[in-house]
Amino acid sequence: DAGITQSPRYKITETGRQVTLMCHQTWSHSYMFWYRQDLGHGLRLIYYSAAADITDKGEVPDGYVVSRSKTENFPLTLESATRSQTSVYFCASSGSAGGNQPQHFGDGTRLSIL
Amino acid sequence: SQQGEEDPQALSIQEGENATMNCSYKTSINNLQWYRQNSGRGLVHLILIRSNEREKHSGRLRVTLDTSKKSSSLLITASRAADTASYFCATKGGANNLFFGTGTRLTVIP
Repeated sequence: DAGITQSPRYKITETGRQVTLMCHQTWSHSYMFWYRQDLGHGLRLIYYSAAADITDKGEVPDGYVVSRSKTENFPLTLESATRSQTSVYFCASSGSAGGNQPQHFGDGTRLSIL
Repeated sequence: SQQGEEDPQALSIQEGENATMNCSYKTSINNLQWYRQNSGRGLVHLILIRSNEREKHSGRLRVTLDTSKKSSSLLITASRAADTASYFCATKGGANNLFFGTGTRLTVIP
């Protein structure tokens, strides 16, 4: 079925470890986004991508790395995890930039860093 | 910040009643979107209203937009227990992204 899937759904890791969150979409949308959702902050944009091999920083990019070698995949890597990165992470895709079209979200990855 | 702010933060109503949530934003917009998030799930797009529209309907949802007041409202009529969720407004951020508010948590009591 068409959609956007994130994996894993849940992850527990330790500070200092590297962890990669995966995101895959089947719509061939140009734009993909990574958000984190924390109580009191709503959704905050970490990174986004306008197309394969084109990425840009969002509001809270520090400590995160992204890549987009294929249109359908947009992995997010925490190079050296910190406790402040404990959060729920959402990936989204859209057919156009900004708010001109809806964004379609995955069901999130709940990441706990001990 | 261009971030939208929803009001109230939490709302509890009886099934069958109407629920109204408000969103205020700070800068000019081209359009505004509303999303729903069920517990443990991702956001689901509900409706997009453009800046030249004043009102838009989708099923039991009615969205209004007042650009002079920089505000929008989402009305859910004849609410159901299944409408229990958090509701977010979103406005265009920079060139390519959306800014989301912190949401209104709606509880519909059966």
